[in-house]
Amino acid sequence: DTAVSQTPKYLVTQMGNDKSIKCEQNLGHDTMYWYKQDSKKFLKIMFSYNNKELIINETVPNRFSPKSPDKAHLNLHINSLELGDSAVYFCASRERGIATVEAFFGQGTRLTVV
Amino acid sequence: AQSVTQLGSHVSVSEGALVLLRCNYSSSVPPYLFWYVQYPNQGLQLLLKYTTGATLVKGINGFEAEFKKSETSFHLTKPSAHMSDAAEYFCAVSTTGANSKLTFGKGITLSVRP
Repeated sequence: DTAVSQTPKYLVTQMGNDKSIKCEQNLGHDTMYWYKQDSKKFLKIMFSYNNKELIINETVPNRFSPKSPDKAHLNLHINSLELGDSAVYFCASRERGIATVEAFFGQGTRLTVV
Repeated sequence: AQSVTQLGSHVSVSEGALVLLRCNYSSSVPPYLFWYVQYPNQGLQLLLKYTTGATLVKGINGFEAEFKKSETSFHLTKPSAHMSDAAEYFCAVSTTGANSKLTFGKGITLSVRP
């Protein structure tokens, strides 16, 4: 029973298209994140949601829009895809406000823009 | 602001040799530190974490790390490397507060030679 699941695992699309990545967690956590891992494996936080409320937006282009219909889901919609958006996107969840606990990560979505 | 530094991008050891992956942190408050491992084409998995208490922390797969406040370090070690340890390793620090997040170092690739 997967704790944090993302779909799709792989996504290949053309420049200019709009795409979405879905994430669901069954851990009962209040906080969910999106991280971007670039080609050099560097992990950078993009967004954080607490119980459907946007908390962190790390200067991500407006083409990226997260949506949280409920605290168990955090989707990422990307408009007008660019070559530079190619990366692996990870969803994660964590108990809110408890700095000592770890985040649980999904398997990642490898986005390739051609 | 809190941050972590992982010097070097690649470590190569022989099977059976000691593994040492370095992590230094910067924090104005007591840090909460984590090591994650990422196997190829997979998500991140927690290896171990330091919150409070004992400074030598044991994790999964025979890994351990020691928190040294005087050196602002949290180096990861394993006495004897296995081929299956080949992966990407990330050190992370947790910010505190209601909107805490994990901030990652740039990661180190561990290769294990037969």
